[in-house]
Amino acid sequence: DTEVTQTPKHLVMGMTNKKSLKCEQHMGHRAMYWYKQKAKKPPELMFVYSYEKLSINESVPSRFSPECPNSSLLNLHLHALQPEDSALYLCASSQAGTGSGNQPQHFGDGTRLSIL
Amino acid sequence: GEDVEQSLFLSVREGDSSVINCTYTDSSSTYLYWYKQEPGAGLQLLTYIFSNMDMKQDQRLTVLLNKKDKHLSLRIADTQTGDSAIYFCAESINDYKLSFGAGTTVTVRA
Repeated sequence: DTEVTQTPKHLVMGMTNKKSLKCEQHMGHRAMYWYKQKAKKPPELMFVYSYEKLSINESVPSRFSPECPNSSLLNLHLHALQPEDSALYLCASSQAGTGSGNQPQHFGDGTRLSIL
Repeated sequence: GEDVEQSLFLSVREGDSSVINCTYTDSSSTYLYWYKQEPGAGLQLLTYIFSNMDMKQDQRLTVLLNKKDKHLSLRIADTQTGDSAIYFCAESINDYKLSFGAGTTVTVRA
């Protein structure tokens, strides 16, 4: 069982809808991530939050808006998405970086998003 | 630069050992990881190795690291049908970024 919980598991939305993806972890991790994964491909990093502050935005279109309300929660707000945004969206968490190296990232099971 | 390469497919008979190979380019990577992804699921952290280690064993899993050749391998002993999945090798780029390989699809046949 994963210790990173994502809801919903599946989401179908039209291009004019607004929806949100949610992620929760209770491992005391202070870094949280959003990834996008297309079928049979590795995950692509979208955003990183460290100590509830956005530290990395990988040039993601503004129709994706992340939010980190507290150290356990991470949201991804979606608006006016395109069909090519259909993918599996994965959340991950890790200990915060210390400047001396990467910390293992733990992933949720993802939200499978379909844009009509 | 970051470039992680792995073979795309591996077919193995149930009960045999599986070996998945990976090469990476960033000699300053501190951690190297193996993730498993089953159909419809997220990535499961299988194991990882710190760059100052040569080998790490965890039950049926053995990770070997050759820093000179920048080569990482994952050996799964006594492969079972539940081991059928995509396996991703990844190297750490900095505190937060990983560079993933394309993934190796492992198929276990009876």
